[in-house]
Amino acid sequence: DAGITQSPRHKVTETGTPVTLRCHQTENHRYMYWYRQDPGHGLRLIHYSYGVKDTDKGEVSDGYSVSRSKTEDFLLTLESATSSQTSVYFCAISEGGIGNQPQHFGDGTRLSIL
Amino acid sequence: DQQVKQNSPSLSVQEGRISILNCDYTNSMFDYFLWYKKYPAEGPTFLISISSIKDKNEDGRFTVFLNKSAKHLSLHIVPSQPGDSAVYFCAAGGNTNAGKSTFGDGTTLTVKP
Repeated sequence: DAGITQSPRHKVTETGTPVTLRCHQTENHRYMYWYRQDPGHGLRLIHYSYGVKDTDKGEVSDGYSVSRSKTEDFLLTLESATSSQTSVYFCAISEGGIGNQPQHFGDGTRLSIL
Repeated sequence: DQQVKQNSPSLSVQEGRISILNCDYTNSMFDYFLWYKKYPAEGPTFLISISSIKDKNEDGRFTVFLNKSAKHLSLHIVPSQPGDSAVYFCAAGGNTNAGKSTFGDGTTLTVKP
């Protein structure tokens, strides 16, 4: 199994508080991704990274920011959490930048914002 | 507009029979298509992929068929086993977009013993 660790695995917090989710990989893969999954929806890309300090927005990036200061760590921050950001968040990694190279996913972080 | 669609939210089949999961897409620029499988409380895992220049790819019990003219692909599982019960996601990607994939909403497959 690809070495991907997401922390925390579960978090409950209140509206308006900042939240940071961490994704750590031991595979030295260049590409990292943050998705959210909501009931009845597939995985929607929030942000992705194509190298240290190189990040870009995905399709649902509003309200989220990311940082990647080291190859192995990709952080997702909700500056001021809202109830609409209650979701399951998945981190993924990929060795290459072409579409046929599969992504390897962490086991997710279940985030509840009350 | 959703570029990758899985129109069947769920599918139930008997053990030993064939499972066929379908996926439609709208963007003719996709170069690759992938299927992922997801169990509850786990992340998705890669199952099988196919290039847009092929029409079939097989890996054991799993076969993916691609019909480019119809912008349609399907995943066949033969024979189906109870352990195949999971959510299956179809995904599509290109060669020039940092490996990003666009995912469908998923189909929940239940294989009954």
